[in-house]
Amino acid sequence: DAKTTQPNSMESNEEEPVHLPCNHSTISGTDYIHWYRQLPSQGPEYVIHGLTSNVNNRMASLAIAEDRKSSTLILHRATLRDAAVYYCLRGGSNFGNEKLTFGTGTRLTIIP
Amino acid sequence: NAGVTQTPKFQVLKTGQSMTLQCAQDMNHEYMSWYRQDPGMGLRLIHYSVGAGITDQGEVPNGYNVSRSTTEDFPLRLLSAAPSQTSVYFCASSYLGAGASYEQYFGPGTRLTVT
Repeated sequence: DAKTTQPNSMESNEEEPVHLPCNHSTISGTDYIHWYRQLPSQGPEYVIHGLTSNVNNRMASLAIAEDRKSSTLILHRATLRDAAVYYCLRGGSNFGNEKLTFGTGTRLTIIP
Repeated sequence: NAGVTQTPKFQVLKTGQSMTLQCAQDMNHEYMSWYRQDPGMGLRLIHYSVGAGITDQGEVPNGYNVSRSTTEDFPLRLLSAAPSQTSVYFCASSYLGAGASYEQYFGPGTRLTVT
């Protein structure tokens, strides 16, 4: 059950912005959109989440389409440390009583 | 504040052996979960718990048992190890409830090989 769809891989130059897309066309009205990333040989780490409005934090921005069927994670100025697999998830409206699932994510390569 | 800790970091088992992967968190999180990650794949949810005494199955629960006797600890038991259980296992925890960010904190993982 592919709840979200992401490109398998993307490349970006260091110090340039990166836009990572995610499609979640079957999202319900109360599902949140979550982004995690996994650096090599580490556990995933939380990046950002949102419901309807665009969200910003110290790591990234999340732009959510008006119909909520897609979203974009924005890294404003990529560094080599941002090379990771990025996962987009949907859910969490009833967190703890549902099963958040990770897909295979987008492998982001940063070119020096 | 150690966050989420997992032991052991590495383990090799023979087919049919049993063992327990340990997970502990010191953030007083209600929600804890176990995932497995096979090479080149995303994470799959094995079991989760929303509080002491409460557990439920995830996507791939067969061959694994869990219990939650305290808020801090959430051990994962492999009953009779099989080569198909060779994987990296991650434990995660999070707050629950109104206003919770749903941010899950992950441990560093346990790399398990079953021969």
